[in-house]
Amino acid sequence: EDQVTQSPEALRLQEGESSSLNCSYTVSGLRGLFWYRQDPGKGPEFLFTLYSAGEEKEKERLKATLTKKESFLHITAPKPEDSATYLCAVFWQAGTALIFGKGTTLSVSS
Amino acid sequence: DTAVSQTPKYLVTQMGNDKSIKCEQNLGHDTMYWYKQDSKKFLKIMFSYNNKELIINETVPNRFSPKSPDKAHLNLHINSLELGDSAVYFCASSQSDSPLHFGNGTRLTVT
Repeated sequence: EDQVTQSPEALRLQEGESSSLNCSYTVSGLRGLFWYRQDPGKGPEFLFTLYSAGEEKEKERLKATLTKKESFLHITAPKPEDSATYLCAVFWQAGTALIFGKGTTLSVSS
Repeated sequence: DTAVSQTPKYLVTQMGNDKSIKCEQNLGHDTMYWYKQDSKKFLKIMFSYNNKELIINETVPNRFSPKSPDKAHLNLHINSLELGDSAVYFCASSQSDSPLHFGNGTRLTVT
C-alpha cells in the first residue's frame, strides 16, 4: 500500500483557472510534510514544509494546507510558468528518509 | 554557488559495465541521500549517510555501493550495469528534519 498518494496524476488548466492538488498519507506520527516543484531536467525544488494539522503556508500563487490525513496545494490564478510536476513527501520517523508520492504534473496554458 | 552538485549529468553505457556518480554539497549538511527516479517520475530512496555513516540502505541490489569519504561527499558506484538500472539518480542533502536539497540529477542510460 502506498504511504503517500497524490491526485490527480495530471492536471491541465487554463491560465487564471484556480485548482487544488491533493496529497493523502497513511503514515502515523507525521513529523513533516513537504511540497516540492520539479521542472523537466531539474532536481526537485523545495516549496513548503507543514508540521501540524491546521497549518498553512503561502508563496505567491501557491498555498499549502495540512489536515491529519491529507494536504492540499491550492493554485490561485495560475500562469504558464507554474507548469511543472508537484511532489509531496512525508517524513515520519527519525532515521528514515522522505517518502515521496508519484507527483501531479500540472500544465497551464495561456 | 551550486548547493548540491552531481557529475556527470548524463551517463550512457553498455550492459555489464561499471560506472560511478559523484555528489558534493556545500551546505554543511550532515546527511546525504541517493534517490532513484524512474520513468514515471517516482522518487525512491536508495541510501542515506549521516556524517559518513550509512543509516538507510533500502532494498537495492548489492551491485550498488555508496561511499562517503567525508560528510560533504557521497558517491554511488554501480557494478555490472543492467538495462533496468536506467533512470535518473538524484543526490540530496539535509540537516536534521530540514527540507532536502536536491542536485539536478544524473540521467543513466544503459544500452
